[in-house]
Amino acid sequence: DTGVSQNPRHKITKRGQNVTFRCDPISEHNRLYWYRQTLGQGPEFLTYFQNEAQLEKSRLLSDRFSAERPKGSFSTLEIQRTEQGDSAMYLCASSLSQRGHQPQHFGDGTRLSIL
Amino acid sequence: QKEVEQNSGPLSVPEGAIASLNCTYSDRGSQSFFWYRQYSGKSPELIMSIYSNGDKEDGRFTAQLNKASQYVSLLIRDSQPSDSATYLCAVNPTGGQNFVFGPGTRLSVLP
Repeated sequence: DTGVSQNPRHKITKRGQNVTFRCDPISEHNRLYWYRQTLGQGPEFLTYFQNEAQLEKSRLLSDRFSAERPKGSFSTLEIQRTEQGDSAMYLCASSLSQRGHQPQHFGDGTRLSIL
Repeated sequence: QKEVEQNSGPLSVPEGAIASLNCTYSDRGSQSFFWYRQYSGKSPELIMSIYSNGDKEDGRFTAQLNKASQYVSLLIRDSQPSDSATYLCAVNPTGGQNFVFGPGTRLSVLP
């Protein structure tokens, strides 16, 4: 079990640029989640995949945000035309889909800073 | 809006004392509850999960759930300075697979 891996760990970019983050879940986990966390707040849910299907999206996920999980393994989160308000920690988590609700295990996150 | 509320703290306790962290939630149909610990600059780390009313113990940690009162708590016995962190309460809302997190309670254990 190598844990959830996220890349890059830090991203600094100018307003208006596009950014893409990658998440590799725990290998046997078929559920993958993206959250956003700002200072002093808990993580806020963005979107969730079961295998390659994107099953749930938060209203926080504006049309500038898109997430994919093309082969049901790793996932990418892209933000287009970044804005100052996008500065946050972007967290990925994964879990098994079994009867009941399984705990989610988090990666170390990607910290995005918009200049 | 399904909400999870926690006292933001900071909660300060002396080393060796019991730390009590509280969480309330608005979605009465929630069935699964989790406590995560988050050190500054790090990702959330799962400590406990609880699904049934009552107490669940794991080492120095005890989670307590009261669904009628929509209340879940975490007790940390024999608190250590290494327990100093932010503790996040997470609730799985009715009909969804995501977690709704509270804002977290910052705990400081004083040597």
